[in-house]
Amino acid sequence: NAGVMQNPRHLVRRRGQEARLRCSPMKGHSHVYWYRQLPEEGLKFMVYLQKENIIDESGMPKERFSAEFPKEGPSILRIQQVVRGDSAAYFCASSRETGGEQYFGPGTRLTVT
Amino acid sequence: AQSVTQLDSQVPVFEEAPVELRCNYSSSVSVYLFWYVQYPNQGLQLLLKYLSGSTLVKGINGFEAEFNKSQTSFHLRKPSVHISDTAEYFCAVGAGTALIFGKGTTLSVSS
Repeated sequence: NAGVMQNPRHLVRRRGQEARLRCSPMKGHSHVYWYRQLPEEGLKFMVYLQKENIIDESGMPKERFSAEFPKEGPSILRIQQVVRGDSAAYFCASSRETGGEQYFGPGTRLTVT
Repeated sequence: AQSVTQLDSQVPVFEEAPVELRCNYSSSVSVYLFWYVQYPNQGLQLLLKYLSGSTLVKGINGFEAEFNKSQTSFHLRKPSVHISDTAEYFCAVGAGTALIFGKGTTLSVSS
């Protein structure tokens, strides 16, 4: 049973470009969470999605960031016009039900140059 | 709102020594408590969790934690550490959907 998959594992973008991060949840999981880890910090919640719905986006920056979890395919975290401060590790987690145990992917490390 | 405080940012210990990583939380509602471990450049792995019931929780790799409601603590312990336990450890609290993480404690085990 494959775990949570994230790709790419490493992503380098120049300032102003777009970054697209993908997350495939564990088989049987329909709940996806995105977290961001800045250097020397713990993980900060960004957004919680179920298939085709954003349930809680209280941790998402108001501008440039968006997330989706379509009926088919992986969840996507999209960052438009990246800035140096977006450099971080972005982790995806999935669960089988609301409030269920969250299983984490290996993360995508975004570097903005 | 919930919050988590990990009281030590770094804990250096010698191999085979006991270790305790401290975690305090605040919450106005009943919560679930978790400890995760992160090895360099990897994702988070669940060590153990407290949902309800016995306050002493045993996890993987010989770790255990004790939930203390009166002190709002959930300290992680291991009686004898190995070099391979060197990693970042995160305490987290959940009361709904999102997990709230502490800033992490770096455990460094040396011989």
